[in-house]
Amino acid sequence: GEDVEQSLFLSVREGDSSVINCTYTDSSSTYLYWYKQEPGAGLQLLTYIFSNMDMKQDQRLTVLLNKKDKHLSLRIADTQTGDSAIYFCAETLGPTGGGNKLTFGTGTQLKVEL
Amino acid sequence: GAGVSQTPSNKVTEKGKYVELRCDPISGHTALYWYRQSLGQGPEFLIYFQGTGAADDSGLPNDRFFAVRPEGSVSTLKIQRTERGDSAVYLCASSLGTLETQYFGPGTRLLVL
Repeated sequence: GEDVEQSLFLSVREGDSSVINCTYTDSSSTYLYWYKQEPGAGLQLLTYIFSNMDMKQDQRLTVLLNKKDKHLSLRIADTQTGDSAIYFCAETLGPTGGGNKLTFGTGTQLKVEL
Repeated sequence: GAGVSQTPSNKVTEKGKYVELRCDPISGHTALYWYRQSLGQGPEFLIYFQGTGAADDSGLPNDRFFAVRPEGSVSTLKIQRTERGDSAVYLCASSLGTLETQYFGPGTRLLVL
């Protein structure tokens, strides 16, 4: 079965780096995603990584994937107050009979303090 | 429109009533997904449409839930005989094709009293 786990809370100071971690159990996952959700808003895709990659960098965001340990992390450099939100990791098995349905973690609430 | 839109943004109903939630996907997107997000949880998959047909409805919790997409664009999620446990945010997402990025709408917050 599929299960995605995240720690519930993370608090950092403005300007520091944030690292949000995620573990998943389905080794068949093909794509892994990070979404951001601000209060009262929908999910915003931040970045994604294909399962045959180890790392992906996109401006302040760095995604690391350890497929052996089924561990995914999102590093946010120079964290700003606007980064305060809930961050979800999600996995997909890729094209199956059911399309590309996402399995989400429980979310990590990031709080950025001045 | 510029993004996925969902109406209503909030819906309050009484136990036992029938509700319809609407999703307008991004124009030209053939794939459409419904998810449900309970308080403090991540979204959970409900159903996926490719065009007009429901290709995967394995996430629908029971037969009180039904969704349609008759013309391959707008979709309606229908819930019969609502229960308090149905209270959640219902999210819709669309993508250009099956493997493409899913773009989410703001959701409909359903409260069953």
